Amino acid sequence: SQQGEEDPQALSIQEGENATMNCSYKTSINNLQWYRQNSGRGLVHLILIRSNEREKHSGRLRVTLDTSKKSSSLLITASRAADTASYFCATEGGSYIPTFGRGTSLIVHP
Amino acid sequence: DGGITQSPKYLFRKEGQNVTLSCEQNLNHDAMYWYRQDPGQGLRLIYYSQIVNDFQKGDIAEGYSVSREKKESFPLTVTSAQKNPTAFYLCASIGFLNTEAFFGQGTRLTVV
Repeated sequence: SQQGEEDPQALSIQEGENATMNCSYKTSINNLQWYRQNSGRGLVHLILIRSNEREKHSGRLRVTLDTSKKSSSLLITASRAADTASYFCATEGGSYIPTFGRGTSLIVHP
Repeated sequence: DGGITQSPKYLFRKEGQNVTLSCEQNLNHDAMYWYRQDPGQGLRLIYYSQIVNDFQKGDIAEGYSVSREKKESFPLTVTSAQKNPTAFYLCASIGFLNTEAFFGQGTRLTVV
């Protein structure tokens, strides 16, 4: 079963614009993570936010978590063509088994 | 450099054959995972192992088998019982009391 569901499924923006993608999940979590996948490659960890945190920053990334709504958002500011990739949220509820959503495909046009 | 290595990168299987995908890590991680990725379906968990000589089925284990004889290695066998094996397979590992998953570069399996 897939815990997280990302929205939108696809996002196309111009370089310099901000990109926002959302993740909704169904059951309680210990933490939520965001990963990036370039086409045909493995996933790379971007950022982790714990259930008792509401917002976290890392460089141009900003992640929010609303446990009451069971949702998270990933904001990439001042996007670059190199940010083109698929982005996945993964939830973990205490079993140390990351459960992934279907991902958001982001295209940043130069 | 520490990391997780999958091989081969591309694999072709004939109908009725078993094939084994390799996954090796030198990160000293206890837990290892196999995921299957199909277009539009995200990552689905096949098997996982949180300690040597022990492994558990994930959501889509039918037609697959694994072993965990060494901490560093977690090979996945795609058996002839798996009717739709064409997919991208990803191996991941996680360290003790950690939750960040490290992924290999994947193996793309195609049935010919």
